[in-house]
Amino acid sequence: DQQVKQNSPSLSVQEGRISILNCDYTNSMFDYFLWYKKYPAEGPTFLISISSIKDKNEDGRFTVFLNKSAKHLSLHIVPSQPGDSAVYFCAASQGGSEKLVFGKGTKLTVNP
Amino acid sequence: KAGVTQTPRYLIKTRGQQVTLSCSPISGHRSVSWYQQTPGQGLQFLFEYFSETQRNKGNFPGRFSGRQFSNSRSEMNVSTLELGDSALYLCASSLSLAGDITDTQYFGPGTRLTVL
Repeated sequence: DQQVKQNSPSLSVQEGRISILNCDYTNSMFDYFLWYKKYPAEGPTFLISISSIKDKNEDGRFTVFLNKSAKHLSLHIVPSQPGDSAVYFCAASQGGSEKLVFGKGTKLTVNP
Repeated sequence: KAGVTQTPRYLIKTRGQQVTLSCSPISGHRSVSWYQQTPGQGLQFLFEYFSETQRNKGNFPGRFSGRQFSNSRSEMNVSTLELGDSALYLCASSLSLAGDITDTQYFGPGTRLTVL
């Protein structure tokens, strides 16, 4: 039973445009959500997070939106840059647990 | 501040052998978690250690075990290796302050284990 789903295995956008990566979850007890970026042969790098008491969190070019009623979150990257090309993972946790449940990732390619 | 370090980075073993992987967390971080990444299953939680005690456990067989030392460094052991254990093993550390639900985990580069 996959509790965190990233339904798009890949996404391709032009440099300068917006990248929108989506994530759905089924467990309503999740209260903290994170996005990680991963390059091949490296560990995931933390990007941005949001707790369930908020519906938006922004950090530079990265913004995460949370829609609790739809159990949906999205990561917006504006403007997209070629260096953003990587696999993006959505993750969730509940009650302060260190156990993160990950989606299967979306491979983003930003074309120059 | 140095990040999470893992050793070795690459390892090749044969079926039936056992292996030990090591993880040094970010200084001051008290929680260490381990994850397995495979192409088919993605990133899956193995277990978490805090103050030398296993605090959380994922759905992996007993062949997978770990421990944490008093300096928060952690080791993970896999006994009787199977071909399906070939994966990238990732370690993550966090502060794990009591009552903080927004604790963020920071990952190491991983150990690539190949079982032949």
